[in-house]
Amino acid sequence: DVKVTQSSRYLVKRTGEKVFLECVQDMDHENMFWYRQDPGLGLRLIYFSYDVKMKEKGDIPEGYSVSREKKERFSLILESASTNQTSMYLCASKPPGQGVSTQYFGPGTRLTVL
Amino acid sequence: KNQVEQSPQSLIILEGKNCTLQCNYTVSPFSNLRWYKQDTGRGPVSLTIMTFSENTKSNGRYTATLDADTKQSSLHITASQLSDSASYICVVSAGSTLGRLYFGRGTQLTVWP
Repeated sequence: DVKVTQSSRYLVKRTGEKVFLECVQDMDHENMFWYRQDPGLGLRLIYFSYDVKMKEKGDIPEGYSVSREKKERFSLILESASTNQTSMYLCASKPPGQGVSTQYFGPGTRLTVL
Repeated sequence: KNQVEQSPQSLIILEGKNCTLQCNYTVSPFSNLRWYKQDTGRGPVSLTIMTFSENTKSNGRYTATLDADTKQSSLHITASQLSDSASYICVVSAGSTLGRLYFGRGTQLTVWP
């Protein structure tokens, strides 16, 4: 079974703090994604990565950056957290050769910024 | 504009009853449509996937239909159980391997005993 894990289920940070959200997959997937999910808005793509050290902006990259130093790990970074970044963050990965819709999701990190 | 609209936004049914969730999309070029189930506090899990040529697919008590002409899909749940309480998300894929996904906002289903 594909396993996508996220470093924290719940996280509380203060405005202005630098926040790291970690995602690890154990199936040697090349493609990894970061989404945020807000009530009434559905999932929105923040960033994705096709391979190590490669990254592409999604629909809402402002205020975020990412790091992909190793194939299995994709990190989402909030350089200076703000209250409007309070959200559920979901990581996903995709097997090579599969269509873009074949994504396996992690359990999510619920981030609260005070 | 590529969009995925789901209805209803929320639904409450009694255990054992059937229900149908709707998904309308305007995504082009269409590649496939998935229904995901997302339990509270969990990531989404795929229930079914349908391509252009498929008009129905079942997964246990879940049956998805697709009408590619009208760009509509439905998810029918039979003999609901308390564990069916979740958010159900319709996701349409445009393009192929390097395409992108369009997410509906989900239908929150609550099953009461």
